Amino acid sequence: SQQGEEDPQALSIQEGENATMNCSYKTSINNLQWYRQNSGRGLVHLILIRSNEREKHSGRLRVTLDTSKKSSSLLITASRAADTASYFCATDAPNDMRFGAGTRLTVKP
Amino acid sequence: EAQVTQNPRYLITVTGKKLTVTCSQNMNHEYMSWYRQDPGLGLRQIYYSMNVEVTDKGDVPEGYKVSRKEKRNFPLILESPSPNQTSLYFCASIRNTEAFFGQGTRLTVV
Repeated sequence: SQQGEEDPQALSIQEGENATMNCSYKTSINNLQWYRQNSGRGLVHLILIRSNEREKHSGRLRVTLDTSKKSSSLLITASRAADTASYFCATDAPNDMRFGAGTRLTVKP
Repeated sequence: EAQVTQNPRYLITVTGKKLTVTCSQNMNHEYMSWYRQDPGLGLRQIYYSMNVEVTDKGDVPEGYKVSRKEKRNFPLILESPSPNQTSLYFCASIRNTEAFFGQGTRLTVV
């Protein structure tokens, strides 16, 4: 099954630092998305990048996509304690959505 | 307000006792999906539905059934629950490229 795989599994940083998470996937995609999950809650959509885009910004989020390497990265700048959550990438091809195991981000105040 | 509503939020049941987790969306989406989330394994797709009366197996369908008699509802049925189905379950409604998730159902089978 097609699936995004996030790396690292866990990341712990201090407030104000930047956090970078990576995602690798296996087959061609139409787009890639990043989601956030607060502990035990449903996932919330953060940002989508299409296969013909290389970089996208949304507030403190920056997403890059390298289709030749089948990888994406999510950068959260100037992190806050409230950014503590799990982050997942999701790929679709088409009308189908698969998630990886996620990166658990902890931002210490 | 766009919503995906799952019920119940929490459920403790005994092995073999049939149960249904309901999922309802108010966005008129055609595509809906069920996932289970277990530590270290991320979200694994159980079943999905492309439209009314159209359902298909995901990655881990064993022990589960679904139905899609109307567009808004997509219940997950466990005919004979077993302890290995203890998990956190999420229903999602998907339009184009964005998934909307329910709040989750934490199921414990003893």
